[in-house]
Amino acid sequence: DTEVTQTPKHLVMGMTNKKSLKCEQHMGHRAMYWYKQKAKKPPELMFVYSYEKLSINESVPSRFSPECPNSSLLNLHLHALQPEDSALYLCASSHPGRNYEQYFGPGTRLTVT
Amino acid sequence: AQSVTQPDIHITVSEGASLELRCNYSYGATPYLFWYVQSPGQGLQLLLKYFSGDTLVQGIKGFEAEFKRSQSSFNLRKPSVHWSDAAEYFCAVGAIIEAAGNKLTFGGGTRVLVKP
Repeated sequence: DTEVTQTPKHLVMGMTNKKSLKCEQHMGHRAMYWYKQKAKKPPELMFVYSYEKLSINESVPSRFSPECPNSSLLNLHLHALQPEDSALYLCASSHPGRNYEQYFGPGTRLTVT
Repeated sequence: AQSVTQPDIHITVSEGASLELRCNYSYGATPYLFWYVQSPGQGLQLLLKYFSGDTLVQGIKGFEAEFKRSQSSFNLRKPSVHWSDAAEYFCAVGAIIEAAGNKLTFGGGTRVLVKP
């Protein structure tokens, strides 16, 4: 099974809302990633978790708060977002270390109104 | 820092014709190279990868890519395109993050349109 699942598929939220995106994988991967993808652009890395610890934060604004409660789950908590944060948010996972490819989920389409 | 350039933003190809997508990378060490495909509104699917060894790599869906170190290129090819190959294609280079997999840097993407 090489599936990464993400919920919800679509999310519309106001600028004062708090919401969360969820990602799950059961491939035994110990590295998990959040990417942001704007329309007609490539994905941009936001966060990397390795063995449930945050290892990379690509200078993402604090209104995005990641969490990795266990080795299979990755959350992205959203608060006080701006309309420019509207995008496709992609989760990926891989084995940590060398020579391993990332597997991507289908994404959550986020619209901030 | 690593970078990836995909010179062609759009390519239109007739069904049954061959396809070649160009990718040039910049990376200081031995690159880890990937091609991903993305259908509209979907996630990314890995087509193939190159880490070392044979410079011609085979992937899924009949795709192959050739690594040429002297040209810093990793071009993707398919001999005969099907209508279902219409999608966005991303080339990526991975930098090793110790104990955390690869940090992927993507090219800008090439959108492939298939004419009947």
